[in-house]
Amino acid sequence: GAVVSQHPSRVICKSGTSVKIECRSLDFQATTMFWYRQFPKQSLMLMATSNEGSKATYEQGVEKDKFLINHASLTLSTLTVTSAHPEDSSFYICSARDPIGGYTFGSGTRLTVV
Amino acid sequence: ELKVEQNPLFLSMQEGKNYTIYCNYSTTSDRLYWYRQDPGKSLESLFVLLSNGAVKQEGRLMASLDTKARLSTLHITAAVHDLSATYFCAVDIPGTYKYIFGTGTRLKVLA
Repeated sequence: GAVVSQHPSRVICKSGTSVKIECRSLDFQATTMFWYRQFPKQSLMLMATSNEGSKATYEQGVEKDKFLINHASLTLSTLTVTSAHPEDSSFYICSARDPIGGYTFGSGTRLTVV
Repeated sequence: ELKVEQNPLFLSMQEGKNYTIYCNYSTTSDRLYWYRQDPGKSLESLFVLLSNGAVKQEGRLMASLDTKARLSTLHITAAVHDLSATYFCAVDIPGTYKYIFGTGTRLKVLA
């Protein structure tokens, strides 16, 4: 079946630094990927839709300059959290629309900003 | 704005008992999904429901969809401890590739 690899699984960074999270579709091409954020004991909130070869579409309230999304190839989308602050600490999950129209999720990235 | 609400939000049940989780959504949608999430983990796909009246079963879990009522149910039969997890439903936003998650139901099955 479709597999989405997300890396890293955990990252701890200092406040003010930037962190890049990668999301790769391993056995299929994904023109559309999604980035979600999940706070403890809460649901997943869609942050943005990543479109291969074009600009990402951000949800209302998500800062475009803070959460940079790049989808430069059909198998890779990256989310860069710029100038991270402790309030950015969260669980970030990507997903990709697979060839049969379903959604496959990455394993998630636990970001801790200290 | 599409809203997806689940009920209950928390559920503690004894092993061997049956229970149903409800997922209500506010606008028409083509598809409804159910996922399981274990603590600290990503999502595991359980069911995809594609049409009105669809029913799918896997082990002790059965999901159904009523598009007219904008309601899906996830029924648990004879619960076992291993089913303890958080369960999410999600629906497609019509005309887009996006989908929205429900509020989640945290299930704890007591031995």
